[in-house]
Amino acid sequence: GAVVSQHPSWVICKSGTSVKIECRSLDFQATTMFWYRQFPKKSLMLMATSNEGSKATYEQGVEKDKFLINHASLTLSTLTVTSAHPEDSSFYICSAPGWRGEQFFGPGTRLTVL
Amino acid sequence: AQTVTQSQPEMSVQEAETVTLSCTYDTSENNYYLFWYKQPPSRQMILVIRQEAYKQQNATENRFSVNFQKAAKSFSLKISDSQLGDTAMYFCAFMKPHSMEYGNKLVFGAGTILRVKS
Repeated sequence: GAVVSQHPSWVICKSGTSVKIECRSLDFQATTMFWYRQFPKKSLMLMATSNEGSKATYEQGVEKDKFLINHASLTLSTLTVTSAHPEDSSFYICSAPGWRGEQFFGPGTRLTVL
Repeated sequence: AQTVTQSQPEMSVQEAETVTLSCTYDTSENNYYLFWYKQPPSRQMILVIRQEAYKQQNATENRFSVNFQKAAKSFSLKISDSQLGDTAMYFCAFMKPHSMEYGNKLVFGAGTILRVKS
């Protein structure tokens, strides 16, 4: 199956700083990628759709100035959490669609904001 | 809007036994995909099984099979010969393909935590 990587897998930062998370499709191209947020023992919450060559589409209630998304190439999307605060601490997951309707997920990034 | 409901927050099963996880969904669409994803303690999302709505035959992947009832909008997952490695959170998901309105997004259920006991 197709592989999606995420980097870093775990990051700790101070309140007020920005953190960038990378999502890469390793063996296929993805014009679209998705970013999710997940709290413990809860479902995935879609934050935004990352579109290569155009602006991301954010879900209702997601602050686009807070969560900056850039889809720089057909294999890379980045999520930057700007001016992070403790309430931004969470598990962030990206995915890229496959050719049979399924999505391939990255291993996730655990963000802890002190 | 599409919704997916998983009514069992937690379940447990003895090793080697069979367990069925429930999922219902609501849609007015006729053509769509349904999925079961597994999220073990590592938190890596893994595709378990996929079903296309136009196919009447239930999908099967080794010990995993589904009971797809389109009219009832039901999509349950049966795990046979449960193994300790099946312990995970399981998510049912819906997707409308090639949709300008929904953009190939997955709609997830709330999830079911499955614990396999030895």
